[in-house]
Amino acid sequence: EAAVTQSPRNKVTVTGGNVTLSCRQTNSHNYMYWYRQDTGHGLRLIHYSYGAGNLQIGDVPDGYKATRTTQEDFFLLLELASPSQTSLYFCASKFRDRNTEVFFGKGTRLTVV
Amino acid sequence: KTQVEQSPQSLVVRQGENCVLQCNYSVTPDNHLRWFKQDTGKGLVSLTVLVDQKDKTSNGRYSATLDKDAKHSTLHITATLLDDTATYICVVGDRGSALGRLHFGAGTQLIVIP
Repeated sequence: EAAVTQSPRNKVTVTGGNVTLSCRQTNSHNYMYWYRQDTGHGLRLIHYSYGAGNLQIGDVPDGYKATRTTQEDFFLLLELASPSQTSLYFCASKFRDRNTEVFFGKGTRLTVV
Repeated sequence: KTQVEQSPQSLVVRQGENCVLQCNYSVTPDNHLRWFKQDTGKGLVSLTVLVDQKDKTSNGRYSATLDKDAKHSTLHITATLLDDTATYICVVGDRGSALGRLHFGAGTQLIVIP
């Protein structure tokens, strides 16, 4: 069973704080994604990557940076956190082929107070 | 603009009843469609994937259909169980994107009561 591990699972920070969300997959997947999930919306793509050192901008990138340091590790950075970034964040990974299985982490609940 | 619309937004059924969830989309060109189950506050688990122009799949008590001409999919759950209580999310894969972009619906919240 493919595994995607997110950490931390829960995080509370203050407005203006600096937060890093981590994601690791050990499936040798090419693609990794960061999404946020908010009530009334489908998952929205923040950033994604198709390999180490690569970064692509998603649909809601403002206020977020990301870095893919290795094939396994994809980080999401909030350098000046705002209350609007309070959300449930999911990391996902998949192989290159378009309709292959997508595997999700269990999510990180971030609260910015 | 939302490209994947799911209905109903929420649904309450009694244990043992059947239910049908709908997904309409405007993603073009469309490659595949997946249904996911999301338990409250947890990750998404894939139930089934539909690929062909007119496709049908079956996975235990879950069955699904896809009509790419109508850009419409259904998810049928038969003989519901209390553990089926979850949010069901329709996801359409974009064939036009080499990087496998996924378009998510907002989900249908299913509540199964005794």
